[in-house]
Amino acid sequence: SYVLTQPPSVSVAPGQTATITCGRNNIGSKSLHWYQQKPGQAPVLVVNDESDRPSGIPERFSGSNSGNTATLTISRVEAGDEADYYCQVWDSSSDHVVFGGGTKLTVL
Amino acid sequence: QVHLVESGGGVVQPGRSLRLSCAASGFTFSSYVIHWVRQAPGKGLEWVAVISYDGTNKYYADSVKGRFTISRDYSKNTLYLQMNTLRSEDTAVYYCARVLGPDDAFDIWGQGTMVTVSS
Repeated sequence: SYVLTQPPSVSVAPGQTATITCGRNNIGSKSLHWYQQKPGQAPVLVVNDESDRPSGIPERFSGSNSGNTATLTISRVEAGDEADYYCQVWDSSSDHVVFGGGTKLTVL
Repeated sequence: QVHLVESGGGVVQPGRSLRLSCAASGFTFSSYVIHWVRQAPGKGLEWVAVISYDGTNKYYADSVKGRFTISRDYSKNTLYLQMNTLRSEDTAVYYCARVLGPDDAFDIWGQGTMVTVSS
């Protein structure tokens, strides 16, 4: 089955840069998206198609996708960025959506 | 404003059925592909099902195939998820979310509706 691998947790001090990865063989060939989910809330799209930000998402959020790893980078991390982050692709071979297992970002 | 609003969740016994609804507003319902995604308590996001913009193509996660049916009513701008033979592992918050095309991101999500399967 199609699996996207994320680290379960990432910790970073305020003002520093957080890096969250999403891995799979040849993931760079896919359109990949990132979502932020805060407790009790629905997910919110933060990075679209590897590197585009929807309206209203701060420039501090950026993405890249190449080879076997996609990366969500959050610069100048703030306390309000503390959340779970999920990567997602469409697997055209099975016509299924696949989510990564999620990464809990803790702001120290 | 663009909205998706789920309803129909509740507590149901194992083996019983439940139908969820997702009411769309503020956009052209017939132009979008709509998905159901669920999240068990304390767990990650799990994709459940998708229906194409014209309703002709439907796909399901292996965990629900044969038990769940996705459908849409264009006269009511509403998406449905008929859930039969429910199991305890179906307990989750169920979200509907839209995409423009298969590779596109979920740009709008509903607020979710909770389904609890318990005796």
